[in-house]
Amino acid sequence: EVVLTQSPATLSLSPGERATLSCRASQSISTSLAWYQQKPGQAPRLLIYDASNRATGIPARFSGSGSGTDFTLTIRSLEPEDFAVYYCQQRTSWPPMYTFGQGTKLEI
Amino acid sequence: EVQLVESGGGLVKPGGSLRLSCVASGFTFKTYIMHWVRQAPGKGLEWVASISSGANYIHYADSVKGRFIISRDNAKTSLYLDMDSLRLEDTAVYYCARDYRDYQYFDKWGQGTQVAVSS
Repeated sequence: EVVLTQSPATLSLSPGERATLSCRASQSISTSLAWYQQKPGQAPRLLIYDASNRATGIPARFSGSGSGTDFTLTIRSLEPEDFAVYYCQQRTSWPPMYTFGQGTKLEI
Repeated sequence: EVQLVESGGGLVKPGGSLRLSCVASGFTFKTYIMHWVRQAPGKGLEWVASISSGANYIHYADSVKGRFIISRDNAKTSLYLDMDSLRLEDTAVYYCARDYRDYQYFDKWGQGTQVAVSS
């Protein structure tokens, strides 16, 4: 089973600053990684898939990078609505089993 | 607009049963793989089960295997999760989610339905 470890657990920043969130896989997963944003009381929203592709409707300030075991979600110039919890996610090959990181809380 | 609306959650005693439903609209439901994902209170996300478009392929997390059954009715554009032998640790918000890129990711989510297992 692939374990995803996110860091930091909490990131305190201000609007306008740059956020860098990390996700490390316990073994190589190529670029098969997604990032989700979840606000309190809401369902998660897909932000990034295949490590670096923005999902439909996601603003350009969100970008993803990485391959193998180390991945990064970058939010360039934080907006007030970006403060939320972010999760990374991957799927093992077959049969499919999905794992999520434990989340990074981005707070003001 | 894609919509996924879950229902059926509630309070149940340990060992009890519950059926969750998810009604889909705004897309061709019968062509999509679908999933259930849950989130325990204050915790992260946990994938529960997946079902292929024609219900030929079904997969479960080890934590629910043998207790939960995922199914679908494409004519009713509905996804189901039958939960038996419920445990305290099954307490969570249960989301139905649409598959993206053939068993890779989850691109659309419902608002969730709360399941509480308590004596």
